[in-house]
Order: sequence, then structure tokens, then C-alpha cells
Amino acid sequence: DTGVSQDPRHKITKRGQNVTFRCDPISEHNRLYWYRQTLGQGPEFLTYFQNEAQLEKSRLLSDRFSAERPKGSFSTLEIQRTEQGDSAMYLCASSPPTGRGLAQYFGPGTRLLVL
Amino acid sequence: SQQGEEDPQALSIQEGENATMNCSYKTSINNLQWYRQNSGRGLVHLILIRSNEREKHSGRLRVTLDTSKKSSSLLITASRAADTASYFCATDATGNTPLVFGKGTRLSVIA
Repeated sequence: DTGVSQDPRHKITKRGQNVTFRCDPISEHNRLYWYRQTLGQGPEFLTYFQNEAQLEKSRLLSDRFSAERPKGSFSTLEIQRTEQGDSAMYLCASSPPTGRGLAQYFGPGTRLLVL
Repeated sequence: SQQGEEDPQALSIQEGENATMNCSYKTSINNLQWYRQNSGRGLVHLILIRSNEREKHSGRLRVTLDTSKKSSSLLITASRAADTASYFCATDATGNTPLVFGKGTRLSVIA
């Protein structure tokens, strides 16, 4: 296994369009996290899953954002009606089941630019 | 919102020198982690220290944790140009929960 992967790596879209990002976690990891990072800042938590259950959503996750992890494996993050303020790096991370480690393993991120 | 605050925001040193970065946080934690991020890329986990630990080593890295002061420090010894990156501390409130990151320290190591 080569780690967490994200697709696409870059996305340029026009304001008002919908975009969808995909994250494939490390296979044996049951927790999956989405973070957003803007320039010069640290990552900020958006939402996370344990298996297919979405356990927590940040206040940053407006109703234009939706995330799924239908079979407890890969996850998608969709942003509807994108705004220029959505421009950021979207990071996905995964971590193993309880008792097998606390570190999170990050993917390379998807950089979104909304024009 | 971001809980951790790293200090300094930026640090420039010569290759071979030691680099020390500090992190303060606000609420109780289960563990504190340090991550490195090269420009425009994902984060790489460096080291984790649990709330009942005071010091931990990994290669050229040394982390300390003072829960009474809600602070941690990361020391990189004998720095190399390849250590040039942003370094973030992140707190985990209860274990395997979403991390709360600081704004990071930008380290430049000049060859």
C-alpha cells in the first residue's frame, strides 16, 4: 500500500460550479478525515468518518458541502455552488483502528481554485 | 478554529545548527503530534507524545511536553537543507479524534 491518495490533485473551476474530490485511505484504516488548508494557515478540520459513519462535522462545513464514505473505504467530498472563498487545499487523512496507533496519515491534497 | 500557536512563525538557520520550535495549546489533550509539510504538499507525521509523557526522541528529533503550561517544543538537531519545510503541532483531545493544528513554523535551513 502506497498511502493515502487523493484525486484530482488540482482543480480549477468557475464560481457556481460543483466539484467533487475523492480520497482513498490506507486500506486497513477505519477512520478518515477531511481538512481544509488556506495559504499560511494550518489545516482545519471539516469532517470525519469511522467506517461508513460520519461522526462529526465542523461548523466550517456549510450546507454546500457534503461528504460520503458509502462502503467504509474511499470517501468523496462535494462542494456545490462553489464560491471564491472555497479556494484552498483539501486534505484527506486516515488513521488505524483504536489501539493500533494515533498518528494520522495524510494524502497529497487537492488544490482547488475557484475563479 | 486553531488551538495551537507555534513560535516562531518563521526561523532561518545554517545547516548543522539546531532548530527549536514551540507550540502552545488551550485545552486538555490525549496526545500532541508534530507534522512536517513541504511546500504545497501533504503533511508527514513526525512524532507523537502522549499527555503522560514529558520527552520523546526519534532520530534527530526531540519533543518535550509540559501539560501544566500547555506547551510543547520540537528540537531538530544538526539540521540539513532537506529539513526546510513548515512544521505544525496538532493536538488530539481524546485519541483518534480530529486534530487541531496551529499555524505552523516555517523553517529555512541554509546550506
